[in-house]
Amino acid sequence: AQSVTQLDSQVPVFEEAPVELRCNYSSSVSVYLFWYVQYPNQGLQLLLKYLSGSTLVESINGFEAEFNKSQTSFHLRKPSVHISDTAEYFCAVSTSGTYKYIFGTGTRLKVLA
Amino acid sequence: DAGITQSPRYKITETGRQVTLMCHQTWSHSYMFWYRQDLGHGLRLIYYSAAADITDKGEVPDGYVVSRSKTENFPLTLESATRSQTSVYFCASSESTRDTQYFGPGTRLTVL
Repeated sequence: AQSVTQLDSQVPVFEEAPVELRCNYSSSVSVYLFWYVQYPNQGLQLLLKYLSGSTLVESINGFEAEFNKSQTSFHLRKPSVHISDTAEYFCAVSTSGTYKYIFGTGTRLKVLA
Repeated sequence: DAGITQSPRYKITETGRQVTLMCHQTWSHSYMFWYRQDLGHGLRLIYYSAAADITDKGEVPDGYVVSRSKTENFPLTLESATRSQTSVYFCASSESTRDTQYFGPGTRLTVL
């Protein structure tokens, strides 16, 4: 069975500092991996996704994530965060042939001035 | 308006009442999903649908009923609401499992 683990429930970081949000998954088959962001009182929005090909994927607002098959990880990174990055971030996994995502429990990123 | 909408945005009801949450999407996406979001649990899948008239249970289906007579609508009914169903409910749609899921703004449901 698939599962997703987000090891940190909350991550405080100062503005302009780097951040890494960790995500590990378990699956016996090939996976598709996603990071979603949720701003307060809103639904989730896709940040970036890995389907195949290059293991490093980037978003338009400076986030990146690297698919590491041997470590079954898909950690999200940003070299310099802004106050506006304060939000909750969810990692999700899906596999070919199923209709479903499995979401992690989320990591609340709080950027401090 | 194009997109995915949910109604109502906020609902307060009493234990034992029937409640229906509406979800409408304008993209003609094949797949639609209902999730509940609770602190410490993230998002948990309640039901999903691969097409009109095709629905299946997710992780936490007990106490919920869905239908999908039209591609664009996917209502979720709580047949007899319980306090444990107090939550934020999100509807989502996508074209396939490889594709982005597009989420509605959510319905905050309180069961007293």
